[in-house]
Amino acid sequence: QLQVQESGPGLVKPSETLSLTCTVSGVSISGSSDYWGWIRQSPGKGLEWIASIYYSGSTYYNPSLKSRITISLDTSKNQVSLKLRSVTAADTAVYYCAREKIDIRGISNWFDPWGQGTLVIVSS
Amino acid sequence: QSVLAQPPSLSGTPGQRVIISCSGSGSNIGDNTVNWYQHFPGTTPKLLIYSDNQRPSGVPDRFSGSKSGTSASLAISGLQSEDEADYYCSAWDDSLSGHWVFGGGTKLTVL
Repeated sequence: QLQVQESGPGLVKPSETLSLTCTVSGVSISGSSDYWGWIRQSPGKGLEWIASIYYSGSTYYNPSLKSRITISLDTSKNQVSLKLRSVTAADTAVYYCAREKIDIRGISNWFDPWGQGTLVIVSS
Repeated sequence: QSVLAQPPSLSGTPGQRVIISCSGSGSNIGDNTVNWYQHFPGTTPKLLIYSDNQRPSGVPDRFSGSKSGTSASLAISGLQSEDEADYYCSAWDDSLSGHWVFGGGTKLTVL
């Protein structure tokens, strides 16, 4: 059964870089033919997509965050990583990792399953 | 402010049918399919509806999705207390080289 699990530092200082890891189990990232994405939820707010990466390594980013983020794969560890630079208090959120399932009909994608999320607080 | 507009809250009584709306534009809902997610705060978000009206296995048929033009809806019939959760719509947006957008979420309360 496919599962994803996020891990991260919990607390990051303003202006520093946030590094998160998503460990995938139950399927090989390099052989899944799916995307892998990051989504976050700030306190009291809705969901915000951050970035997604294809198993081949091609990426796409939220335009509002693009200048500060990097998403990458480590196929040897079956992990997806996210780096968010120059963080501020506005980046405080629960960060979720999810598989972005590709519709075999090529009509649409969707996120499933999601991880439990990891809370990141930006504070000095 | 979210790209997709949802009512912040909605309530219903057990057994009732409720509808959660999701309003977008031509670059997202008007041109792409809609997905719905159910989220119990503090837990893992769950895919509820994909491709406008498809239910993943295990999702009760009390949940149904529809779309017309630039708006989508999630209907829940035979409302149950365990349906009390946050519901989010989502769609791909073709603008700005393409990106995913979500609604602000609707908190459903079962009275």
